[in-house]
Amino acid sequence: NAGVTQTPKFQVLKTGQSMTLQCAQDMNHEYMSWYRQDPGMGLRLIHYSVGAGITDQGEVPNGYNVSRSTTEDFPLRLLSAAPSQTSVYFCASSYAGPGQGSPLHFGNGTRLTVT
Amino acid sequence: EDQVTQSPEALRLQEGESSSLNCSYTVSGLRGLFWYRQDPGKGPEFLFTLYSAGEEKEKERLKATLTKKESFLHITAPKPEDSATYLCAVQATSFQKLVFGTGTRLLVSP
Repeated sequence: NAGVTQTPKFQVLKTGQSMTLQCAQDMNHEYMSWYRQDPGMGLRLIHYSVGAGITDQGEVPNGYNVSRSTTEDFPLRLLSAAPSQTSVYFCASSYAGPGQGSPLHFGNGTRLTVT
Repeated sequence: EDQVTQSPEALRLQEGESSSLNCSYTVSGLRGLFWYRQDPGKGPEFLFTLYSAGEEKEKERLKATLTKKESFLHITAPKPEDSATYLCAVQATSFQKLVFGTGTRLLVSP
């Protein structure tokens, strides 16, 4: 049972480049989400999805796009990378979502540097 | 605005020296409070969920408690393998997101 798998582990981009961070889970969880983690700040929600075909914005959505075509996959797209997007990105999933008290299961993160 | 504050930022203990980590919160209606452990280069790993004041949960050397304003993570006779960053997060009734604290970095020396 792999849990939540994120790829790549590390990525370096130049300003203005675009890329997709991949996230897949094999636990049949309906809820999936993307967080970013920056030094001195708590994890902040970027986007989330409560099921296939349904996505919504978190607290820091600007510059990012998501889609959810299957239950298993929830990719995060950076449209035009900026140095402010240098961060560690975590994908997380749960059975019913934190609003129902369901704990999140996290991947091991993608460390992104934008130069 | 929902807020979570964790203290101390960092804590160094000797093996066997018990202590507590604090998580203070202000939310508009608490749905749940979560504790996670995060090792360097890894994602957070779920430890506990607490739902109401007075509730306690235990796992090995860890015990989490909850009041109306704060939660404590008590570590009894810690071992070096307990070294990690411990994160606290709260779920308010109003939104499908967790509000995370910045964590407490715990180092347990042999």
